Amino acid sequence: SAVISQKPSRDICQRGTSLTIQCQVDSQVTMMFWYRQQPGQSLTLIATANQGSEATYESGFVIDKFPISRPNLTFSTLTVSNMSPEDSSIYLCSVEGLGDRYEQYFGPGTRLTVT
Amino acid sequence: AQSVSQHNHHVILSEAASLELGCNYSYGGTVNLFWYVQYPGQHLQLLLKYFSGDPLVKGIKGFEAEFIKSKFSFNLRKPSVQWSDTAEYFCAVRGAGNNRKLIWGLGTSLAVNP
Repeated sequence: SAVISQKPSRDICQRGTSLTIQCQVDSQVTMMFWYRQQPGQSLTLIATANQGSEATYESGFVIDKFPISRPNLTFSTLTVSNMSPEDSSIYLCSVEGLGDRYEQYFGPGTRLTVT
Repeated sequence: AQSVSQHNHHVILSEAASLELGCNYSYGGTVNLFWYVQYPGQHLQLLLKYFSGDPLVKGIKGFEAEFIKSKFSFNLRKPSVQWSDTAEYFCAVRGAGNNRKLIWGLGTSLAVNP
């Protein structure tokens, strides 16, 4: 399995500001995903980060609010823009393409609190 | 629409008790099925998976799950739980093929009392 790291691990941000979350994998992967996990709720896929092309967003998520970069096969960033308290959540990066290509592996998550 | 239902949101057991967590899904085609576990303070880890073949799959730490196609179910079982099994358990489903999107259940919080 891969080692996936995320930065920051947690942050407290003020309303109206933006936060960029980094996801680093220790090997090259084809697919990278960004999820949100809100308290008491299931994981929700925000977008699929494609290397060399724009991210593919799920219904309810837009690029202006959650811009994503994928400059290479080991790194991606998710920005949460113009934050509001409703954006308080855990943001997870996951990857696919290691060993059994149908498995997803998850990073430790970024716990975001917006005040 | 595709969906995953986990019947038990909170489960409390004593050590050595048997565990069964229900998972039902709604999807019209061939599926890949997963159970993930999240121990306190740790990241999500794959517990076991089903793609094809024997519908009874075995995972790590003594867990197993049975795919019953006619019931659209993929229940997780363990004959004897330990305190260290205290965690959040998530069932996830994906349509087989090129669609990589996982559909997740709400999760089941398991607390095992020593």
